[in-house]
Amino acid sequence: NAGVMQNPRHLVRRRGQEARLRCSPMKGHSHVYWYRQLPEEGLKFMVYLQKENIIDESGMPKERFSAEFPKEGPSILRIQQVVRGDSAAYFCASSPLGTASSYEQYFGPGTRLTVT
Amino acid sequence: DQQVKQNSPSLSVQEGRISILNCDYTNSMFDYFLWYKKYPAEGPTFLISISSIKDKNEDGRFTVFLNKSAKHLSLHIVPSQPGDSAVYFCAASAGENTSGTYKYIFGTGTRLKVLA
Repeated sequence: NAGVMQNPRHLVRRRGQEARLRCSPMKGHSHVYWYRQLPEEGLKFMVYLQKENIIDESGMPKERFSAEFPKEGPSILRIQQVVRGDSAAYFCASSPLGTASSYEQYFGPGTRLTVT
Repeated sequence: DQQVKQNSPSLSVQEGRISILNCDYTNSMFDYFLWYKKYPAEGPTFLISISSIKDKNEDGRFTVFLNKSAKHLSLHIVPSQPGDSAVYFCAASAGENTSGTYKYIFGTGTRLKVLA
């Protein structure tokens, strides 16, 4: 999937624990999107980040969820005090900025979160 | 409110025949559309796109048609091959946001099965 890396691929957490999902965008891409796919549903936009900036978090639940994309290192999606309803596949996508291809988003393989 | 709808959750087609996947949208501001293919346990892979200034875009076996008045787009795959069996998502965007990139709304997907 065009070089977007996500880890871990699978994550199991008990209710109440914290989940941290990491995403490294494609080389040269400065924008990261996080999407969530619940079972039997499509991908739902969560948040869009540039380095050190949250641009659009209109799809993020108001509580327990946060995201960052620091100057150095991967983007992190953090879910605090996980509940069973958080079980889903979380996908990260990256895109370039300011090019003719900035409409394209390249997806990572996803992290499958299971809350027990 | 589902702004992008894929009303057929599944489709079966014989190898060599045409596969037609449909997508409807409600937001007349959408002006860029993408199709993604997704295999199990992998991230979505970009297939083909179309801008609202066109009504057709072709890439090999894949053609996307856009009918703006009907707010409808379709993906044609011809001839269909067993390796095309996957879930197909359409996605729509209302164009570049202020940060120079795109935010997409995804449909719920259509599972295509190509029978050998």
